Amino acid sequence: GQNIDQPTEMTATEGAIVQINCTYQTSGFNGLFWYQQHAGEAPTFLSYNVLDGLEEKGRFSSFLSRSKGYSYLLLKELQMKDSASYLCAVKSNYQLIWGAGTKLIIKP
Amino acid sequence: DADVTQTPRNRITKTGKRIMLECSQTKGHDRMYWYRQDPGLGLRLIYYSFDVKDINKGEISDGYSVSRQAQAKFSLSLESAIPNQTALYFCATSVGTSGTLYNEQFFGPGTRLTVL
Repeated sequence: GQNIDQPTEMTATEGAIVQINCTYQTSGFNGLFWYQQHAGEAPTFLSYNVLDGLEEKGRFSSFLSRSKGYSYLLLKELQMKDSASYLCAVKSNYQLIWGAGTKLIIKP
Repeated sequence: DADVTQTPRNRITKTGKRIMLECSQTKGHDRMYWYRQDPGLGLRLIYYSFDVKDINKGEISDGYSVSRQAQAKFSLSLESAIPNQTALYFCATSVGTSGTLYNEQFFGPGTRLTVL
């Protein structure tokens, strides 16, 4: 079967760093996406990894280990506007398989 | 700005009614998708289309049908709505394999459907 696991909810403090993990088991792998989704809004693209290693984009970084079926999204210098759900999705055989998302709560 | 739009944004209907959700895009993308999102579950693919003549069932197509009227338009129909189809529905688009490295999907704002 195809399975993507993420923590349901995480809490962090404004200005801090948080790491959101994603593990996956899929029948194919053509890349892993991270999306951000604010409550009631559309998901928006954050990052894409297809090779092992770290991709950095400003305050956000994403890491992939294909051998371990593991990725994480690292958010630095957290801001209140980062309060959202973070969705992990694996591209497998022309489709995206989505995790349920991690709701990130930022406290002042 | 090139965009993905969905109509209606909210809809309340009764069991047994036929409902159509519409999606239009000005991005010039070939590929279009319909998803539903339920609390605690990931986005689930209902149908997808790689071009006007190519329609494919996704993970949860039962109870739904689609029509790709043009490259820019992709409609989702519920022939006879039932309460467990209450959900947030998203349309998305992407370029084909000859497009960007990422080939990420771009989402419309969503349609919140309630079936009573």
